[in-house]
Amino acid sequence: DTGVSQDPRHKITKRGQNVTFRCDPISEHNRLYWYRQTLGQGPEFLTYFQNEAQLEKSRLLSDRFSAERPKGSFSTLEIQRTEQGDSAMYLCASSSGGGFEKLFFGSGTQLSVL
Amino acid sequence: QKEVEQNSGPLSVPEGAIASLNCTYSDRGSQSFFWYRQYSGKSPELIMFIYSNGDKEDGRFTAQLNKASQYVSLLIRDSQPSDSATYLCAVKDTNAGKSTFGDGTTLTVKP
Repeated sequence: DTGVSQDPRHKITKRGQNVTFRCDPISEHNRLYWYRQTLGQGPEFLTYFQNEAQLEKSRLLSDRFSAERPKGSFSTLEIQRTEQGDSAMYLCASSSGGGFEKLFFGSGTQLSVL
Repeated sequence: QKEVEQNSGPLSVPEGAIASLNCTYSDRGSQSFFWYRQYSGKSPELIMFIYSNGDKEDGRFTAQLNKASQYVSLLIRDSQPSDSATYLCAVKDTNAGKSTFGDGTTLTVKP
């Protein structure tokens, strides 16, 4: 078990372009979360999946953001028509669920929108 | 008002001292509480969790929970320079999927 894997580690894009990030969770974990973190702030919840079902999406999340988890394995997060305000570290975490669940984070994808 | 509040710091303590990190939360329905450590440029890693009122000890770390006061703390005894990091408090409602994080307290342990 190699932990949570995210790809790419860094992404530089121009404003208006679409970007897609991938997360591979710990294999036995059925929950997968996406968070966003900017400098000096804590992780901000974006969305999460229980197996392949997307159970919650942040009300703050623009319609430009979409996430999928086909077959309950890896997940992708797509941002359409990127804006400079989208620049952040995008963190993926997985867990085995339950009320007292512990999150295991990947190394993150650092997005810079120019 | 943020759901989870932490003193942003920075908090500086000498090596060998006790570091005390505090966190308050607004949702009385919160049932589980976590402390994550985040080194600069790295992702958060879980170091402590607590569910019941009182203290929970794990090595040099002690988590304290007071649900009536909606207060969680983390004590680090015999602080080491390697403890220098940002400490994130997170809370979760048993029935909710997500954990909500505070903005973290940055700790510096000076040799």
